[in-house]
Amino acid sequence: EVQLVESGGGLIQPGGSLRLSCAASGFIVSNNYMSWVRQAPGKGLEWVSVIYSGGNTYYADSVKGRFTISRDNSKNTLYLQMNSLRAEDTAVYYCAREVMVRGVSNFDYWGQGSLVTVSS
Amino acid sequence: DIQMTQSPSSLSASVGDRVTITCRASQSISRYLNWYQQKPGKAPKLLIYAASSLQSGVPSRFSGSGSGTDFALTISSLQHEDFANYYCQHSYSIPQTFGQGTKVEIK
Repeated sequence: EVQLVESGGGLIQPGGSLRLSCAASGFIVSNNYMSWVRQAPGKGLEWVSVIYSGGNTYYADSVKGRFTISRDNSKNTLYLQMNSLRAEDTAVYYCAREVMVRGVSNFDYWGQGSLVTVSS
Repeated sequence: DIQMTQSPSSLSASVGDRVTITCRASQSISRYLNWYQQKPGKAPKLLIYAASSLQSGVPSRFSGSGSGTDFALTISSLQHEDFANYYCQHSYSIPQTFGQGTKVEIK
């Protein structure tokens, strides 16, 4: 059974750093595209970052230069290192597996979400 | 970036109603369009991928249509468990953007 379990969220002051983890089971993280998607309180979904199976990484403009996506193949775990955090980064962060079906990618499995609150 | 615009932002409907939510892309995205359902406090759930393919385990009352710039999600007969937020998402290019969401409420 595919499962994604996030951890690492919490309350952090503006300018601070936090690392989110997403432990996967039931599939191999490094063989898949893996993304982070966030949702600010009461708002819609925003794609944040992706790491491809080949290792290429991409970011939303809103986090580029501040966030880093990575994975640890030995732990089958995805990470999101978040630096220089701002109030507008406050959100529930979801990790999601991205699969390609009929040439179109979609997010077929999601974690339960990890709340990050940036506030002084 | 490709912008995704959903309409309506919210709707009220009764159990048994036929409901249609539309999603328009700011440029052609072929069939690179997915639909998700999200209930309060829960992660999104994939309903429809590639514009019209039903995800495994999703009831057949959900259907998707469209290509290019205009898409629709239809629920043929609304059930109690369908009251939720619905989002479209394109996967045509990076960044993959979502629509702003449609809240389906009980009338």
